[in-house]
Amino acid sequence: NAGVTQTPKFRILKIGQSMTLQCTQDMNHNYMYWYRQDPGMGLKLIYYSVGAGITDKGEVPNGYNVSRSTTEDFPLRLELAAPSQTSVYFCASQGWRGGPSGELFFGEGSRLTVL
Amino acid sequence: AQSVTQLDSQVPVFEEAPVELRCNYSSSVSVYLFWYVQYPNQGLQLLLKYLSGSTLVKGINGFEAEFNKSQTSFHLRKPSVHISDTAEYFCAVSVQGGSEKLVFGKGTKLTVNP
Repeated sequence: NAGVTQTPKFRILKIGQSMTLQCTQDMNHNYMYWYRQDPGMGLKLIYYSVGAGITDKGEVPNGYNVSRSTTEDFPLRLELAAPSQTSVYFCASQGWRGGPSGELFFGEGSRLTVL
Repeated sequence: AQSVTQLDSQVPVFEEAPVELRCNYSSSVSVYLFWYVQYPNQGLQLLLKYLSGSTLVKGINGFEAEFNKSQTSFHLRKPSVHISDTAEYFCAVSVQGGSEKLVFGKGTKLTVNP
């Protein structure tokens, strides 16, 4: 059972380049999330999705875009990378039990450096 | 809006000593509360959660937490820690009744020394 899988694990970008972080889950979860983690700052929500075709902004969406064409996949697009986007990115998913279950399942993270 | 404050950014303890990691939350509505643990170079995993019922919640690896509504706290405790408990611990809150979003605290780094 793979759970939540993120790729790539590491990436170095030059300022102005674009890239997509991939996330897929095999638990048939409705909810999916992208967080970024910066030292001493905890996790900040970038975007989330409550189901295929539905996405919404979180706390720090600027500079990012998402799509959710299937239940399994929730890619995060970085356009025109900036040094401020250097961070560790986590994808997570959550199931439904008459409401959000409260338990997020996290991927192992993608460490992005923008130089 | 909800918020979470973890009062200590770092907590060093000796092996077999007790530990308490403090968490306070702010919300105008009833909440669900969670503790997550992150081991080095890994994602977060759920340690325990309070949804309703008994205010004392037991989780994995011998951890427990107590929900105190009057003090808006959800402190995490373990009576005797091991080296393997060294990790970062995150408190999180969501709105009761259906919010799909969790708000995380900034984390507490627990270091267990021999």
